[in-house]
Amino acid sequence: AQKVTQAQTEISVVEKEDVTLDCVYETRDTTYYLFWYKQPPSGELVFLIRRNSFDEQNEISGRYSWNFQKSTSSFNFTITASQVVDSAVYFCALSGGQTGANNLFFGTGTRLTVIP
Amino acid sequence: EPEVTQTPSHQVTQMGQEVILRCVPISNHLYFYWYRQILGQKVEFLVSFYNNEISEKSEIFDDQFSVERPDGSNFTLKIRSTKLEDSAMYFCASTPGQPWDEQFFGPGTRLTVL
Repeated sequence: AQKVTQAQTEISVVEKEDVTLDCVYETRDTTYYLFWYKQPPSGELVFLIRRNSFDEQNEISGRYSWNFQKSTSSFNFTITASQVVDSAVYFCALSGGQTGANNLFFGTGTRLTVIP
Repeated sequence: EPEVTQTPSHQVTQMGQEVILRCVPISNHLYFYWYRQILGQKVEFLVSFYNNEISEKSEIFDDQFSVERPDGSNFTLKIRSTKLEDSAMYFCASTPGQPWDEQFFGPGTRLTVL
């Protein structure tokens, strides 16, 4: 069974602080994919990143970085120098690598509030 | 940039009524999905659709739900007899070629059942 745990329900930081959002996953698949989505107050789901299970390289995109560690089944997301526009709910998600359509299993999300 | 569109943005209905939520996936995408998000909760998978048939469905997707791709562009979710607990945001998504590609989400339809 697939499971994604985001233990942090809500986080508040002051603008320009760094913040890390945790994501722990469970899966029996040997091939799987991990995602982060952002849901701003307007409600849409914005894709941030996808990682496959064979690629443990960390990734940096501007102020965003992701740390994928298979040994601890974690895929954490760090925002450096946070800005008010980063305020949103962030979802980590997992999909299996089986043939056929792969639905996303979402975590419960972390609500990030960046205080000016 | 191509995007997934959904109509209506907000639907209000009475309990027991049928509703149809509409989605236009990105053209040339092959896999289509419906998810729902009850207010303040996580996004939950409902159903996936490929090659004009259901690929997978969750336990939420019971006999009250159905999906259809009536023409080459629309992808619809029908709820036959709505219940109060069907009130949620419903998201449509599509992926281009491989099911593990990024899923492009529509803006959602907020369904309110009174």
